[in-house]
Amino acid sequence: AQSVTQPDIHITVSEGASLELRCNYSYGATPYLFWYVQSPGQGLQLLLKYFSGDTLVQGIKGFEAEFKRSQSSFNLRKPSVHWSDAAEYFCAVGDGAGKSTFGDGTTLTVKP
Amino acid sequence: NAGVTQTPKFQVLKTGQSMTLQCAQDMNHEYMSWYRQDPGMGLRLIHYSVGAGITDQGEVPNGYNVSRSTTEDFPLRLLSAAPSQTSVYFCASSYSASGGAGEQFFGPGTRLTVL
Repeated sequence: AQSVTQPDIHITVSEGASLELRCNYSYGATPYLFWYVQSPGQGLQLLLKYFSGDTLVQGIKGFEAEFKRSQSSFNLRKPSVHWSDAAEYFCAVGDGAGKSTFGDGTTLTVKP
Repeated sequence: NAGVTQTPKFQVLKTGQSMTLQCAQDMNHEYMSWYRQDPGMGLRLIHYSVGAGITDQGEVPNGYNVSRSTTEDFPLRLLSAAPSQTSVYFCASSYSASGGAGEQFFGPGTRLTVL
């Protein structure tokens, strides 16, 4: 069975500081990996995805993530956080046919 | 292109009432799914469909029914609402990965309260 673990429930960073959100997955085959962002009262929006090729993937809003098969990880990073990045972030692993399993999410707070 | 739409945005029910949450997509996606989101529990899959006429249960299907008569629509029915079904419900759609990754497109959600 596939599963996703996001070890950090809540992270606080200062505006302009770097950010890394952790994600570990369990999946029996080649994983399809995603990061989504959810602003308060909104649905989820795709930030980036990985399913093959270069293990460092670029997404929208200046985010990137690196797939490390040996560590079963897909951590999300941003070099300089903006106040508008405050939101909840979800990592997900999928089967490539549309079915995905989500982590419990990490809430990001940005200090001015 | 409206993407994934959900109605209503908010709903209050009394215990034992029934209702249908509507979901529609205009992207011709084969795959559609319903999730519920509760604090600290991420998104849990209720039911999903891989195409018109085909549905299957997810992680938390009890108390919910679905049908998929068209590619566009995927309604979720609560048969007899219970307070434990108080949650935010999201509908999502995706295309099968044929060169893609099968990422999901989400609707704005329905916030349901059962008293």
